Amino acid sequence: EVQLVESGGGLVQPGGSLRLSCTASGFTFSSYEMNWIRQAPGKGLEWISYISSSGSPIYYADSLKGRFTVSRDNAKNSLYLQMTSLRADDTALYYCARGWLSGDYGSFDYWGQGTLVSVST
Amino acid sequence: DIQMTQSPSSLSASVGDRVTITCRASESIYSYLNWYQQKPGKAPKLLIYGAASLQSGVPSRFSGSGSGTDFTLTISSLQPEDFATYFCQQSYSTPDTFGQGTKLEIK
Repeated sequence: EVQLVESGGGLVQPGGSLRLSCTASGFTFSSYEMNWIRQAPGKGLEWISYISSSGSPIYYADSLKGRFTVSRDNAKNSLYLQMTSLRADDTALYYCARGWLSGDYGSFDYWGQGTLVSVST
Repeated sequence: DIQMTQSPSSLSASVGDRVTITCRASESIYSYLNWYQQKPGKAPKLLIYGAASLQSGVPSRFSGSGSGTDFTLTISSLQPEDFATYFCQQSYSTPDTFGQGTKLEIK
């Protein structure tokens, strides 16, 4: 069974940093692209980062302005998101999601349950 | 970025009803359109990919259609477990973008 389990969220002050982790099981992690997607409370979904199966290339949403860094450790079946210079509008539930290609069509076929990041004084 | 606009934002319907949700892209995305279902407190679940392909395990009462800029998700006969929020998402160009969601509520 495919499982994605996020961790590392919590309450952080504006300007602070946090590192999120996503541990995968039930599939060959090193064969799949991975993504981070966030959802602010009561809001819609925002894609924020992509990393290929090998670790390169990497893409980010322009709104992050270089504050976030995605990485992966295929030996540990883990995906990471290093977040710095956090702002109140970064408050959200952060999901990791597996990228899936069927022919030419990409989608997010499995999602974790999310880890909540709250940025506040 | 490609903007995705869903309509309606919310919808009330009864068990057994046929329901259609619309998603419009700000430019052509061919058939690079996916639909997700999200229930309260849960992660989104992939329903439809490539505009019209049913994800494995998803009931056949769900169907998707459209290409270019206009897409629809249809639920042929609503079941109690279908009351949820539905999102469309384009995967044609980076950044992937989502519609704002359609909340389907019980009438």
